[in-house]
Amino acid sequence: QKEVEQDPGPLSVPEGAIVSLNCTYSNSAFQYFMWYRQYSRKGPELLMYTYSSGNKEDGRFTAQVDKSSKYISLFIRDSQPSDSATYLCAMNRGTSYDKVIFGPGTSLSVIP
Amino acid sequence: GAVVSQHPSWVICKSGTSVKIECRSLDFQATTMFWYRQFPKQSLMLMATSNEGSKATYEQGVEKDKFLINHASLTLSTLTVTSAHPEDSSFYICSAPEVMAPNEQFFGPGTRLTVL
Repeated sequence: QKEVEQDPGPLSVPEGAIVSLNCTYSNSAFQYFMWYRQYSRKGPELLMYTYSSGNKEDGRFTAQVDKSSKYISLFIRDSQPSDSATYLCAMNRGTSYDKVIFGPGTSLSVIP
Repeated sequence: GAVVSQHPSWVICKSGTSVKIECRSLDFQATTMFWYRQFPKQSLMLMATSNEGSKATYEQGVEKDKFLINHASLTLSTLTVTSAHPEDSSFYICSAPEVMAPNEQFFGPGTRLTVL
């Protein structure tokens, strides 16, 4: 079993739709959870991070963490064509300079 | 946010040659940097952790003698792919956590290596 699993997609939605992206993980020591967005041939860009369980909202983006289920989600409201990218969940144990484990990424296309 | 640069952004080389990739933190100091490799349509795979002033820590399955890492200063880490072969062709990305926010990793733009 991989440490972090994520549906690779591709996921195609119409503009304005709500997008739900999810990851599951197996290591209960993970405490720090991140979502990155990566455009083709570019480095990943940090979108949001959360520590332990709970929700966090930033504009059109909401991140949720359910540690009891080892399940994290990213919701994108009012999706835009510019949101078309690959979304990577990532996590680590939350200690300083701890290596980050990435999910395989979900490819998202928002159709105008 | 903090800025990490990589040089070169892309490189094409012949099989058997060595290629050096630089990773620089532009506006902060990074005692630790991470090197990743990403194949097309796949996720980032951590190769090694680069530590300023000490030896790098390599992930299982990564050849230390093939992927040489040097962290010469608090703002520069280099990855040298020695005796490159076509199977080494990939997208190499570095990241650096900021000292004041060690859980936030800032990624460089990546270096695309093509070995002919």
